[in-house]
Amino acid sequence: GAGVSQSPRYKVAKRGQDVALRCDPISGHVSLFWYQQALGQGPEFLTYFQNEAQLDKSGLPSDRFFAERPEGSVSTLKIQRTQQEDSAVYLCASSLTTGTMYEQYFGPGTRLTVT
Amino acid sequence: SQQGEEDPQALSIQEGENATMNCSYKTSINNLQWYRQNSGRGLVHLILIRSNEREKHSGRLRVTLDTSKKSSSLLITASRAADTASYFCATAMNSGYSTLTFGKGTMLLVSP
Repeated sequence: GAGVSQSPRYKVAKRGQDVALRCDPISGHVSLFWYQQALGQGPEFLTYFQNEAQLDKSGLPSDRFFAERPEGSVSTLKIQRTQQEDSAVYLCASSLTTGTMYEQYFGPGTRLTVT
Repeated sequence: SQQGEEDPQALSIQEGENATMNCSYKTSINNLQWYRQNSGRGLVHLILIRSNEREKHSGRLRVTLDTSKKSSSLLITASRAADTASYFCATAMNSGYSTLTFGKGTMLLVSP
């Protein structure tokens, strides 16, 4: 079946531009996570949704980062006034239900380059 | 912040050899998971071990967990070129909602 998809796969933004990154989780998955992965590092947690509720946004690095999942399926991560330090791969993952005992399925990521 | 630290950072072996990579972490955990990441398939879950388990097997993978030393190891037996990837450990503090905290990863290169 279809896995987690993300679009665009690559995004180049000039510093100061706003960007929107989309995640389509596996159908029916309750939990959705966003991670940021810098080059040569492991993924770092950004935010978590249970259905449409954003239950944890403790990993968002600044108030320029905003995420939503209005109907409990597709999610969008928006970064306003991009900075060079925002350059990274942004990964989305979904899980069937809540709880860390359930496997997270990751999308291919969006590679964001801020010039 | 990254809780896990994998060791070594990079590992190069020949096909057929075994590969062992280690992960150390700092705080008490509920479970520890290993993931593989390569350019072809992205980040893929490999195996999960609970804090009350000491060893787990899945195919050619063997994971151990020592909670007293706050460390885990991943052994890949009879490695194949297709095992070339980065391997990450990720820890979860709770079984309920908890973020996964990933380490920096070990890059494994398996040469034919």
